[in-house]
Amino acid sequence: ETGVTQSPTHLIKTRGQQVTLRCSSQSGHNTVSWYQQALGQGPQFIFQYYREEENGRGNFPPRFSGLQFPNYSSELNVNALELDDSALYLCASSPGTSGTETYEQYFGPGTRLTVT
Amino acid sequence: EDQVTQSPEALRLQEGESSSLNCSYTVSGLRGLFWYRQDPGKGPEFLFTLYSAGEEKEKERLKATLTKKESFLHITAPKPEDSATYLCAVQAVYGQNFVFGPGTRLSVLP
Repeated sequence: ETGVTQSPTHLIKTRGQQVTLRCSSQSGHNTVSWYQQALGQGPQFIFQYYREEENGRGNFPPRFSGLQFPNYSSELNVNALELDDSALYLCASSPGTSGTETYEQYFGPGTRLTVT
Repeated sequence: EDQVTQSPEALRLQEGESSSLNCSYTVSGLRGLFWYRQDPGKGPEFLFTLYSAGEEKEKERLKATLTKKESFLHITAPKPEDSATYLCAVQAVYGQNFVFGPGTRLSVLP
C-alpha cells in the first residue's frame, strides 16, 4: 500500500481559470514529484520538491507552480488554464534525497482535470 | 536528451500465452530503470527497479531484465488480471526526475 492520496478525484475548469491540486505523501517521504499524463501517453515530469524546496523542473511554463509543506502535503497550482492542460495529474512520493541514491516513486491515484 | 521508447504499443495475448515487452532507452548515465503497471484511471503501481546491465528481478509471473540499451518485461503464463498498461521509466545519474516511455497496453483474453 503506497499511502499517497490526491484530491480532488475529478475537476472541471474553464479556460483562463486557476486550479489547485493537492497531494498527501506517504509518511517519511521527503520528496514529492508531480507529473502530467495525457490520454494514451506516459507521465511527463513537471517538477520535484525536496524538503519544501524545488530541486528539479521539466519543460513546463512558469504558470505551473508548486508548494510542499512540512506535514508531507503538497500542492500543484496551474494559472491561466489552457485546453491542452486537460490531463491526469499524478503526484509521486519517495524517501529519496537530492543526492545520488535511487528510490522508487510511489504514485497517488491522480486528479483528472478537464479544461473546457 | 534522455529518451524511452516501448514496444509494442499494444499486445493481445491468450491466457497462458507467454510474451515479452520491450523498453529501449537513451540516457547519459543510468541511475535506475523502473517498471510500473497502470490500470485505467489509476496511478502507476511500482513493480521493479533495475540498476545495472545483467540484473534480473522476478515477481509472480513477471520477470524484468536489463541490458545497456534496453529492458525486457517477460510475462509467463499470463492471466486476465495481468491486463494493464506497463510503463518503463529511467532516472539519469545527474537528474532527479523519471523519464517515462509511452507504455505498452496489454490485454490478456480468457
